[in-house]
Amino acid sequence: QKEVEQDPGPLSVPEGAIVSLNCTYSNSAFQYFMWYRQYSRKGPELLMYTYSSGNKEDGRFTAQVDKSSKYISLFIRDSQPSDSATYLCAMRTSGSRLTFGEGTQLTVNP
Amino acid sequence: GAVVSQHPSWVICKSGTSVKIECRSLDFQATTMFWYRQFPKQSLMLMATSNEGSKATYEQGVEKDKFLINHASLTLSTLTVTSAHPEDSSFYICTTGVERDYTSGANVLTFGAGSRLTVL
Repeated sequence: QKEVEQDPGPLSVPEGAIVSLNCTYSNSAFQYFMWYRQYSRKGPELLMYTYSSGNKEDGRFTAQVDKSSKYISLFIRDSQPSDSATYLCAMRTSGSRLTFGEGTQLTVNP
Repeated sequence: GAVVSQHPSWVICKSGTSVKIECRSLDFQATTMFWYRQFPKQSLMLMATSNEGSKATYEQGVEKDKFLINHASLTLSTLTVTSAHPEDSSFYICTTGVERDYTSGANVLTFGAGSRLTVL
């Protein structure tokens, strides 16, 4: 069983839609949770960073962490074509080593 | 903020040759670098962790004699793919052990832009 599970998609939505991306994990020692966005043939860029459980909002993006269910989510409101990318969840324990999900490929159609 | 420069961004080589990928931290000292590999439509898989001045730690299943990592200074880590074969064709990405959270000031990892290797 993988430590982090993420639906690879692909996910296709119309512009303006609300997008929900999710990951589940099995390691209860994970404390730090991140969402990265990766455009084609580019390195990942950090979108959201959350420590422990709770919600965090930044503009159109909201990250949720439910440690009791070992489940994290990223919501994108009013999605734009420029949001089309692969979204990777990542998490770690107290160390620096990240464990990534497979990534979800998102396409927002104008 | 922390910037990691990775070079080359794209390289094509013949089977059997060696390829070196460089990762530089431009405005900070990186005592730790992580090297990841990403195959098409797959996630990033950690290959090895390099620490300045010491031997790299390789993940299970990664051949240390094939993927040579050198971290001789606090600003430069290199990955050399020796005797490359077509199955080594992949996207290689480095990231630092420096973390900076862009909202709270805590630290997060900074990624290089990646190097796409194609072995013919």
